[in-house]
Amino acid sequence: AQSVTQLGSHVSVSEGALVLLRCNYSSSVPPYLFWYVQYPNQGLQLLLKYTSAATLVKGINGFEAEFKKSETSFHLTKPSAHMSDAAEYFCAVSAVSGNTPLVFGKGTRLSVIA
Amino acid sequence: DARVTQTPRDKVTEMGQEVTMRCQPILGHNTVFWYRQTMKQGLELLAYFRNRAPLDDSGMPKDRFSAEMPDATLATLKIQPSEPRDSAVYFCASTSGTEAFFGQGTRLTVV
Repeated sequence: AQSVTQLGSHVSVSEGALVLLRCNYSSSVPPYLFWYVQYPNQGLQLLLKYTSAATLVKGINGFEAEFKKSETSFHLTKPSAHMSDAAEYFCAVSAVSGNTPLVFGKGTRLSVIA
Repeated sequence: DARVTQTPRDKVTEMGQEVTMRCQPILGHNTVFWYRQTMKQGLELLAYFRNRAPLDDSGMPKDRFSAEMPDATLATLKIQPSEPRDSAVYFCASTSGTEAFFGQGTRLTVV
């Protein structure tokens, strides 16, 4: 069985500040891990994915995440927040490969203050 | 620009009516998922198909929901009869490998 816990349903940062969104996973098999972003009234867009290659994964829009097996974590970071980063962010896990169903966390809403 | 297309984008219907949502997966993708998003439950899997065959529909209320893939270019999700608790955003996603691509969703409101 797999599960994802996102710590903090709402995170607020100032423009230009570091963004850190936390995700911890549980998986009985080596996991595939993903971060998706959802803008209002839109679908989910993939930010980045971990598929057992490099533990530091770089994604779109300046985001990156580090897979830490010992901590069962996959936190999302961005050095400098932009107003356009305000959205809902979802961490997800799947077993075996990306063509098996995703199990999502509850999401974290990111607000960026000018 | 390949994308997953869902229709309709918005649907308002009366309780008891049949609702059909459609999804056109990305050409060449052999796996299709249906997810439902609500404020209370978040994103949850309803059903998924591989090569048009249903693999798991345990997330769907069987008495009122049905999902099919009549062909490789169309997936449908039907609710009959609809109930107010079915109000949610329904997403279709498709994949051919390591990542799933999501459609824009169908926002269903049952009054």
